[in-house]
Amino acid sequence: DTGVSQNPRHKITKRGQNVTFRCDPISEHNRLYWYRQTLGQGPEFLTYFQNEAQLEKSRLLSDRFSAERPKGSFSTLEIQRTEQGDSAMYLCASSPEVVATQYFGPGTRLTVL
Amino acid sequence: AQSVAQPEDQVNVAEGNPLTVKCTYSVSGNPYLFWYVQYPNRGLQFLLKYITGDNLVKGSYGFEAEFNKSQTSFHLKKPSALVSDSALYFCAVRDDNQFYFGTGTSLTVIP
Repeated sequence: DTGVSQNPRHKITKRGQNVTFRCDPISEHNRLYWYRQTLGQGPEFLTYFQNEAQLEKSRLLSDRFSAERPKGSFSTLEIQRTEQGDSAMYLCASSPEVVATQYFGPGTRLTVL
Repeated sequence: AQSVAQPEDQVNVAEGNPLTVKCTYSVSGNPYLFWYVQYPNRGLQFLLKYITGDNLVKGSYGFEAEFNKSQTSFHLKKPSALVSDSALYFCAVRDDNQFYFGTGTSLTVIP
């Protein structure tokens, strides 16, 4: 399967713990996006990479959130000191160029107890 | 401000009837518009997009959408609905380097 993959698919953690999610985009896609989706809402943009450079960050992205794409391939999203309000589906998408279609992964569902 | 609105949370249509899922947008520049579908426990799947050119865009699974600049709308349509079309549909607009999604419309096709 050459689609976007995300790991883990599910994560349950206690409040205050740190979590890290991984996204592997479609190979040769130089753009990678992170979104957060809560129940009954559409995906909310978090951040965007072009190759290894993080070009955009949403105001929604607090200082507890950090994302990296060190070699311009896979990306990680870390949430420090998780809060119950962080519970959501975290989606990753990749695309080959700016206005091209974004291809989404299956998401990582985070539950903070 | 950039935004996209889906005024209907729920749309019900009988199998075989035409369906329309509405979307309006507001962007500062030229709109790049997208429709995605989300099935339960599945990721978002691309249906179609409008970048430029013909206002009527044809996409996957028999869906099409019409870009209307004067009404700032990009409604999703299908001439004959199938039960398997039942899913959650999202309209999205790209502005600058960010994508903005609507809140989604749940489509139920009744056999």
